[in-house]
Amino acid sequence: GENVEQHPSTLSVQEGDSAVIKCTYSDSASNYFPWYKQELGKRPQLIIDIRSNVGEKKDQRIAVTLNKTAKHFSLHITETQPEDSAVYFCAASSENDMRFGAGTRLTVKP
Amino acid sequence: EAQVTQNPRYLITVTGKKLTVTCSQNMNHEYMSWYRQDPGLGLRQIYYSMNVEVTDKGDVPEGYKVSRKEKRNFPLILESPSPNQTSLYFCASSLMAATNEKLFFGSGTQLSVL
Repeated sequence: GENVEQHPSTLSVQEGDSAVIKCTYSDSASNYFPWYKQELGKRPQLIIDIRSNVGEKKDQRIAVTLNKTAKHFSLHITETQPEDSAVYFCAASSENDMRFGAGTRLTVKP
Repeated sequence: EAQVTQNPRYLITVTGKKLTVTCSQNMNHEYMSWYRQDPGLGLRQIYYSMNVEVTDKGDVPEGYKVSRKEKRNFPLILESPSPNQTSLYFCASSLMAATNEKLFFGSGTQLSVL
């Protein structure tokens, strides 16, 4: 089955800096890669997703890149703000098998 | 308002006492699933359902049961809870028909098994 590794487990940045979270996956059949944000005590919420036929997708300050050959994908957050502080989860999905990474706790310091 | 509603939000129980966590969605979604969240392990899928009367095991189905008798409801049943099932549980449904894409999560159920 799929195995997703996520790094780093914690990340602290200064407000206004960029943050990058990286994930690798093992199943070459995976074709859908979402990112979820979970604020403290809240439910995970989808922030961006990408399919395997696309190399990059951007939504305002958030972007995701996918390298199918290397089997890794990354979340990029630019101009970080304190409200970006949360736990971020990547996931990789093949058919109906979706596996999540262990999460990255992002702290944005004012 | 589009919602996935889980009940209860918090539950403390004892080993062996059967319990059910309910999940209901009002969006007419076909796909629903259950996850457990444990520190350092992310979200792990317990069971999922592609449609009414269709359920399948996820990564960690042992000790759990589900049913999908109607589209809106997908209850999670613990027949004989054990302490290792202490966890935060999330129900989710998919905005995309017949897929697990664009999951919409419920508010979660924090379960403690003593």
